[in-house]
Amino acid sequence: AQSVTQLGSHVSVSEGALVLLRCNYSSSVPPYLFWYVQYPNQGLQLLLKYTTGATLVKGINGFEAEFKKSETSFHLTKPSAHMSDAAEYFCAVTLFSGGYNKLIFGAGTRLAVHP
Amino acid sequence: NAGVTQTPKFQVLKTGQSMTLQCAQDMNHNSMYWYRQDPGMGLRLIYYSASEGTTDKGEVPNGYNVSRLNKREFSLRLESAAPSQTSVYFCASRKSLRGGGTDTQYFGPGTRLTVL
Repeated sequence: AQSVTQLGSHVSVSEGALVLLRCNYSSSVPPYLFWYVQYPNQGLQLLLKYTTGATLVKGINGFEAEFKKSETSFHLTKPSAHMSDAAEYFCAVTLFSGGYNKLIFGAGTRLAVHP
Repeated sequence: NAGVTQTPKFQVLKTGQSMTLQCAQDMNHNSMYWYRQDPGMGLRLIYYSASEGTTDKGEVPNGYNVSRLNKREFSLRLESAAPSQTSVYFCASRKSLRGGGTDTQYFGPGTRLTVL
């Protein structure tokens, strides 16, 4: 069965520092992986996704993630944090069941950015 | 395009009261979902609808019912609200539940429900 683990429920960085949010997945089939961001009092919006092809995926707002099959990881990074990056970030994997596919979400990581 | 819209944005209920959360999408998507979000637990799927006229249980369906009114609308009903149903509820839509699962899922802004 597919599942997602996000290491660290809270991450705090200084403005301008590297952002690294960790995500490990479990999947019995080649996974489709997603990162979503949720700003305060808003819904989730897609940051980036990996389906097939290039393992380094670039998303919006300068974020990128690398699919590493050997490590079953899909960590999210940004070279230089901005105050506006403060939000909650969710990693998700596609679950295949009964002919349907659904997203399974991790518990989320709340990112704080300090001046 | 408005995307996915939800009403109401906020609601306070007393234990035992009922209410319906409304969701609509204007992207001509086939599949729609209801999730609840609780601190430290991510999003958990309550019900989903692969297409108009079909609904299926997700991970946490107890205490909820849904109706796929037409292709655009998918409502969530709490028949007898309980404090354990205090949560933020999100509706989402996706082009299709079938296929490879690469479609992006789009979310509404959420409904913040408190049950006293």
